[in-house]
Amino acid sequence: QKEVEQDPGPLSVPEGAIVSLNCTYSNSAFQYFMWYRQYSRKGPELLMYTYSSGNKEDGRFTAQVDKSSKYISLFIRDSQPSDSATYLCAGRDAGGTSYGKLTFGQGTILTVHP
Amino acid sequence: KAGVTQTPRYLIKTRGQQVTLSCSPISGHRSVSWYQQTPGQGLQFLFEYFSETQRNKGNFPGRFSGRQFSNSRSEMNVSTLELGDSALYLCASSTDRGGGTQYFGPGTRLLVL
Repeated sequence: QKEVEQDPGPLSVPEGAIVSLNCTYSNSAFQYFMWYRQYSRKGPELLMYTYSSGNKEDGRFTAQVDKSSKYISLFIRDSQPSDSATYLCAGRDAGGTSYGKLTFGQGTILTVHP
Repeated sequence: KAGVTQTPRYLIKTRGQQVTLSCSPISGHRSVSWYQQTPGQGLQFLFEYFSETQRNKGNFPGRFSGRQFSNSRSEMNVSTLELGDSALYLCASSTDRGGGTQYFGPGTRLLVL
């Protein structure tokens, strides 16, 4: 079993829809959680960064972390065709043995059609 | 501020050869992490360097190695290439404060024939 599980999709939605992307993780030591967006043939781009449990909002994006259920979510409001990409969730623990190591989910392929 | 840069962007090698990839981090970032991305395994952590020292290593064979220079630039080397080494190799830099938010470069796409 992978430490971070993510449904690869693909997910296809109409423009303007609310998109919900989810991950579960098994490592209780994870304290930092990120969402990255990756366009085809590009490197991942940081979207959201969250410490511990709670919500964080940035424009059309909202990240939620529920450590009690080990569940990570990303919501995209008013989705646009330019949001079409692969979305990657990642976690990291705060321990000294985890220097520089993010553990990623498999990524969800999202297509927003006009 | 300039982002993370990686060279070369594309590379074709044959089995048994070796390859060296380069990464220049964001100015002021002292931590560089390397990842391998494949369709089957996704993004997997290779190793991390900080102040010229390897602090962490993932589960990859010894054919994968790296180093970091005093200006924080980093290189990774893969010796005796195998077909399965074909992948996108990504480096990410961070300030390593707190959670160490990582910023990725565009990657080097390696094809082993």
